[in-house]
Amino acid sequence: DTAVSQTPKYLVTQMGNDKSIKCEQNLGHDTMYWYKQDSKKFLKIMFSYNNKELIINETVPNRFSPKSPDKAHLNLHINSLELGDSAVYFCASSPLSVGPGELFFGEGSRLTVL
Amino acid sequence: EDKVVQSPLSLVVHEGDTVTLNCSYEVTNFRSLLWYKQEKKAPTFLFMLTSSGIEKKSGRLSSILDKKELFSILNITATQTGDSAVYLCAGLKNTNAGKSTFGDGTTLTVKP
Repeated sequence: DTAVSQTPKYLVTQMGNDKSIKCEQNLGHDTMYWYKQDSKKFLKIMFSYNNKELIINETVPNRFSPKSPDKAHLNLHINSLELGDSAVYFCASSPLSVGPGELFFGEGSRLTVL
Repeated sequence: EDKVVQSPLSLVVHEGDTVTLNCSYEVTNFRSLLWYKQEKKAPTFLFMLTSSGIEKKSGRLSSILDKKELFSILNITATQTGDSAVYLCAGLKNTNAGKSTFGDGTTLTVKP
């Protein structure tokens, strides 16, 4: 009964391929996020959805497309993968309905682009 | 653009030592400063600090926020090898999106 779960945990693929990472939270939170963590451990926000609506869209290439079918799910699809996309991608959720607060992170999906 | 800077970037100590980790921030529409601990996988929440000058404690860990000088510190006393991790601080905006801007992290290594 993991609170925020991501799949797959590891993904190794070739440049130019398209891949998806799925995320689900069972905490009843309103808001979900995607963060990218590079090799230097720097966590940078990519997207945020609040109740299926896109709220934050940082400067991310449009090869990255988030999709939120319902407030418990936020998936990330990446087209035409590049070497620089190699990173750990973290999904997170937050109970924004009670005011901005802490993030609950999934365990991360390590993407390696060869 | 919002910015969060942590220092030192890495720290090596021996068990029993006390460490202080620093975090300075420039975040518009600032709401809170959060500390997370990241071991092998996901960052896990430690503290959220919203008011200046009020120390939060959890066991050997404590943290305080100075909203005038725009910084926070995280103290760990009597360190143990299990404290070895990356410690992340994040500035949280007071918007309905609740955006968090993270610092680069401090890698703490505690040797036996």
